Amino acid sequence: QLQLQESGPGLVKASETLSLTCTVSGGSISTSDYYWGWIRQPPGKGLEWIGSIYYSGRTYYKPSLRSRLTISADTSKNLFSLKLSSVTAADTAVYYCARDNAWGWELPGSFDYWGQGTLVTVSS
Amino acid sequence: QSALTQPASVSGSPGQSITISCTGTSSDVGNYNLVSWYQQHPDKAPKLMIYEVSKRPSGVSNRFSGSKSGNTASLTISGLQAEDEADYHCCSYVAGATLVFGGGTKLTVL
Repeated sequence: QLQLQESGPGLVKASETLSLTCTVSGGSISTSDYYWGWIRQPPGKGLEWIGSIYYSGRTYYKPSLRSRLTISADTSKNLFSLKLSSVTAADTAVYYCARDNAWGWELPGSFDYWGQGTLVTVSS
Repeated sequence: QSALTQPASVSGSPGQSITISCTGTSSDVGNYNLVSWYQQHPDKAPKLMIYEVSKRPSGVSNRFSGSKSGNTASLTISGLQAEDEADYHCCSYVAGATLVFGGGTKLTVL
């Protein structure tokens, strides 16, 4: 059974860099069948796609976050990571990592496995 | 890239059917059959209910169905049950290879 687990600091100071890792077990991230994504949810609000990465290393970013965002993968450790720089209170959210089942499409948004989510709070 | 538009809330009685709409533009919902729907119970991770507009993953009840007309996608839940009470989110592929979610809809089972 595939499992995803987010890890990283739960508290980040404003203007610093938020760093999270998603460790995948029960399956390999090095396959053309899937994309691997980050989604966040501010308290009491809806979901927001942040970005995704493909096994080839190609990345896809939400345009409004592109200047602050880096998503990377370490296939040897079977994990992928998120770095968001210059954070503000608006970046406070539960951050989820998830598998996007390609079904032969490019970036279909069919997130079929999710991590449990991790709350990241940005303090001033 | 604006969020897709969903009603903030819908409600229905057990056994009834409800429909949740998700309105986008010709750059997302209207031009691609890549709309998915997620169910989210409080303090839980979202669960994929529908993908590619109308396909159900294995294990999802056939009471859940999806459709699309023009720039609007819809999720219909028939035979409403108490456990269907949750937040529902739509998601669409956007031209240029990005994704966008809707604002989410809270379903209340009366």
